[in-house]
Amino acid sequence: QKEVEQDPGPLSVPEGAIVSLNCTYSNSAFQYFMWYRQYSRKGPELLMYTYSSGNKEDGRFTAQVDKSSKYISLFIRDSQPSDSATYLCAMNPSGANSKLTFGKGITLSVRP
Amino acid sequence: DGGITQSPKYLFRKEGQNVTLSCEQNLNHDAMYWYRQDPGQGLRLIYYSQIVNDFQKGDIAEGYSVSREKKESFPLTVTSAQKNPTAFYLCATLGGVSYNEQFFGPGTRLTVL
Repeated sequence: QKEVEQDPGPLSVPEGAIVSLNCTYSNSAFQYFMWYRQYSRKGPELLMYTYSSGNKEDGRFTAQVDKSSKYISLFIRDSQPSDSATYLCAMNPSGANSKLTFGKGITLSVRP
Repeated sequence: DGGITQSPKYLFRKEGQNVTLSCEQNLNHDAMYWYRQDPGQGLRLIYYSQIVNDFQKGDIAEGYSVSREKKESFPLTVTSAQKNPTAFYLCATLGGVSYNEQFFGPGTRLTVL
């Protein structure tokens, strides 16, 4: 079993839809959870950052972490064509560990 | 502006040639990383450095080499020993409030002709 699993996609939705992106993981030591957005031919940029379990909201984006199920989600409300990108989940144990573990990413296309 | 710069943006190489990718940062971050990204493969770690004059191999170090002589700079050399070097290469640092956030450069697209 891979340490982090992410649905491979691709995913295509109409504008205005609610999008749910998910990752599962096996390492119970992970404490820090991140979502990155990557536009085509660009470097990834940090979108959401969560420590431990719970929800975090930022505008149309909500990150959710369920450590008991080892499952994290990113919800996008009122999706826009500008949300079309590849989304990667990433996670890190607590402490001084300096290597993040990334999911393979899912490509989202929002149709006008 | 603080950030990470990578140059060149596009690079073409003939088979059998070594090539060096540049990465410079002014974020004052200690740790720097090189990733390779291929379609459907996600990000794969090549090398990382937590401090000047020290670096460690990542998951796919064969055919690559690095140096870390300055805090700001972490160049990656793709050698002729790398069997399939055509890919998108990303340089990154580690920072943020809890030193768990990865910051990425814009990337270099390397094509072997």
